[in-house]
Amino acid sequence: NAGVTQTPKFQVLKTGQSMTLQCAQDMNHEYMSWYRQDPGMGLRLIHYSVGAGITDQGEVPNGYNVSRSTTEDFPLRLLSAAPSQTSVYFCASSYSQGRNTEAFFGQGTRLTVV
Amino acid sequence: KQEVTQIPAALSVPEGENLVLNCSFTDSAIYNLQWFRQDPGKGLTSLLLIQSSQREQTSGRLNASLDKSSGRSTLYIAASQPGDSATYLCAFLTGANSKLTFGKGITLSVRP
Repeated sequence: NAGVTQTPKFQVLKTGQSMTLQCAQDMNHEYMSWYRQDPGMGLRLIHYSVGAGITDQGEVPNGYNVSRSTTEDFPLRLLSAAPSQTSVYFCASSYSQGRNTEAFFGQGTRLTVV
Repeated sequence: KQEVTQIPAALSVPEGENLVLNCSFTDSAIYNLQWFRQDPGKGLTSLLLIQSSQREQTSGRLNASLDKSSGRSTLYIAASQPGDSATYLCAFLTGANSKLTFGKGITLSVRP
């Protein structure tokens, strides 16, 4: 039982390049989400999904796309990387929406855009 | 909109001290509260989950409390150890989209 797995752990991109951050969970969780963590800003929600085929925007969605074709995977795509997207990205999952669910986080992807 | 505040941003204590980390929130219509630990360069590790109907939860040397009427949660760490040095974040689950709203964290340093 690996929990929430993110790849890669580190990435350097040039401005304008695209890439996909991978996130997979093996806990059969319905709810998955992506956050970014920036100094002085805390963690902010980018996109989330309440189940396969269903996604929605969070607080800071611009510049990012997501899809959810399976329960296990929730990739985050950067369409055209910008220096403002330099951040640490965390994927999280929980069993379902609702009041009494515990969120589990991956180890993060540290992205630098130059 | 839920706003979460953790003050102070950093705290340094000698080993063995009992300490309290504070977290305040503005919207009492929460579903639950989670306390996390984050080590430098690492992910978030869940420490304790308090449901909205509960007042506190305990795990080992950790005790977390929730007071919705005052908009406060506290994380109590008993007999602190250097290994407790990390950043501690509180997060609130509110609303139907299961969005977590985080505080900015308290960076704790326990001196040997």
